[in-house]
Amino acid sequence: ELKVEQNPLFLSMQEGKNYTIYCNYSTTSDRLYWYRQDPGKSLESLFVLLSNGAVKQEGRLMASLDTKARLSTLHITAAVHDLSATYFCASGPFGNEKLTFGTGTRLTIIP
Amino acid sequence: DGGITQSPKYLFRKEGQNVTLSCEQNLNHDAMYWYRQDPGQGLRLIYYSQIVNDFQKGDIAEGYSVSREKKESFPLTVTSAQKNPTAFYLCASSFRHLNYGYTFGSGTRLTVV
Repeated sequence: ELKVEQNPLFLSMQEGKNYTIYCNYSTTSDRLYWYRQDPGKSLESLFVLLSNGAVKQEGRLMASLDTKARLSTLHITAAVHDLSATYFCASGPFGNEKLTFGTGTRLTIIP
Repeated sequence: DGGITQSPKYLFRKEGQNVTLSCEQNLNHDAMYWYRQDPGQGLRLIYYSQIVNDFQKGDIAEGYSVSREKKESFPLTVTSAQKNPTAFYLCASSFRHLNYGYTFGSGTRLTVV
């Protein structure tokens, strides 16, 4: 059974600082997805990583995938308040019919 | 514009009542999914469907039922057998290859009164 773990579960950081959210998964997978959820809202797709070594960047967020280590990271550069949200990663190996989600990381950016 | 629409946004259920949540997509996606999210928690899969007239149970299917009579529609019924239905329900759709991941609807917040 595929398991996806994120850490930390809660992260409080100051504006302007850098930090990384980690996503580990238990079985071989070449595909990893990142989503953002604002309080009371649905999930919004951030990144889709489809191969080992894939790196994608959007604004202050950068995601990468290391399939050998079964690890994806979401790096936040010079955090701003607007990035406060819960971030989910999800894994979906080829042949799987559905994604398995991590427990989420609740990120709070403090002015 | 293509998208995935859930309705209603808020729903109140009395004890012993069945209620149906609507999910419609015009993205030409093959697969559709229902997830439940409890406050401060992650997503748990209820049911999913890869093709019309076929669906599979997820991790927490008890007390729920679905149908997939059309490619565009995947309604979820929360039955009276579901003892703790208060939650945020999310519908998603995708192509079968999952190369773009899921597109989520805006969600339905169900409360038992």
